[in-house]
Amino acid sequence: EAQVTQNPRYLITVTGKKLTVTCSQNMNHEYMSWYRQDPGLGLRQIYYSMNVEVTDKGDVPEGYKVSRKEKRNFPLILESPSPNQTSLYFCASRGVQETQYFGPGTRLLVL
Amino acid sequence: GENVEQHPSTLSVQEGDSAVIKCTYSDSASNYFPWYKQELGKRPQLIIDIRSNVGEKKDQRIAVTLNKTAKHFSLHITETQPEDSAVYFCAASYPPGRNKLVFGAGTILRVKS
Repeated sequence: EAQVTQNPRYLITVTGKKLTVTCSQNMNHEYMSWYRQDPGLGLRQIYYSMNVEVTDKGDVPEGYKVSRKEKRNFPLILESPSPNQTSLYFCASRGVQETQYFGPGTRLLVL
Repeated sequence: GENVEQHPSTLSVQEGDSAVIKCTYSDSASNYFPWYKQELGKRPQLIIDIRSNVGEKKDQRIAVTLNKTAKHFSLHITETQPEDSAVYFCAASYPPGRNKLVFGAGTILRVKS
């Protein structure tokens, strides 16, 4: 079954404690992205990757890092989380000229 | 800059009526326009999309129209049902060939039975 998976689905942490949200897709897609979703602001792109070892900033990259060492995985790293990073996060993947699929989402609360 | 405006932000319709959501994009080079439906607590899921070489596309009760000159595209849902209640997002590709979909802020659709 074609899918995008994310872990964890829910996370409560404290300010400054490094965390990683994993993302994996099994569709051999080149393109992967991370979005955050906040009420009234829609889906805003944090980072994207066009292929292995190729990543670039989206619209709201501050406070986040990503890596793309393998085609299937695209982890999102928060080196020092702050309360304004409390949000719902979605990973997404897309092949060339194909539909973009979203992961199930990770709800993050930073205290 | 890259921008997609979506209206209205909320829409209430009576079951059986039609619903229309409109989006405007800023880059005339955009060539791909998907619509996503997001139910409460779930991920956005594609319901229909259109490419710039087509003016209209229909799938059962859902249709999308594109006006490239005016840089508008719209989602039309006919014979609405309670299960159509959700948040709907439009998006536009920026620039062509790059993996960037810029999303509108979303429309909360409520279908009253």
